[in-house]
Amino acid sequence: AAGVIQSPRHLIKEKRETATLKCYPIPRHDTVYWYQQGPGQDPQFLISFYEKMQSDKGSIPDRFSAQQFSDYHSELNMSSLELGDSALYFCASSLGAGENQETQYFGPGTRLLVL
Amino acid sequence: AQSVTQLGSHVSVSEGALVLLRCNYSSSVPPYLFWYVQYPNQGLQLLLKYTTGATLVKGINGFEAEFKKSETSFHLTKPSAHMSDAAEYFCAVYKDSSYKLIFGSGTRLLVRP
Repeated sequence: AAGVIQSPRHLIKEKRETATLKCYPIPRHDTVYWYQQGPGQDPQFLISFYEKMQSDKGSIPDRFSAQQFSDYHSELNMSSLELGDSALYFCASSLGAGENQETQYFGPGTRLLVL
Repeated sequence: AQSVTQLGSHVSVSEGALVLLRCNYSSSVPPYLFWYVQYPNQGLQLLLKYTTGATLVKGINGFEAEFKKSETSFHLTKPSAHMSDAAEYFCAVYKDSSYKLIFGSGTRLLVRP
């Protein structure tokens, strides 16, 4: 079965650079979530989109922005990168929202290293 | 507010022994509870979930968990550990009605030969 696709899988950037992470949800899934997992940490919710609209926002820095496109893929844009942004970034997708939402399925993650 | 607490950052068992990973939750509404597994350098894979109905939930790879409202627990068990079960396990709950996942701090399972 098709899974959530994330690209790139690995990314190395310098401080103050920008990065764009991409997420392609499971076909027919209309909801996308972004999570950040720091070294030795549990995943923390960043932001989510349902039907191309932002549905919820967590602990996402103002330097980060995201959007969901008409084909339901999503991009997380990160600017003025800091050393502390080094983490594993997960995308998850699900079908539906609210009480009708089904299970979130996670992609393999993008490992970002900021030097 | 919803939260989960996983007791024990590391659990070590012998191959063939019972696996018990503990998770307690706090929720002001009926919780949706999940267990995810993360193998080294990989993403999160759903093991099982509890939404409503039967309190004993069976998942993949022989794992199961029981929702106990009176104990606010959702412990993960497997009768016989296999070397391939070595991984990090996360208990999670949906936060309020926003349906974003709140994760516990994770438990690393080590399986000794």
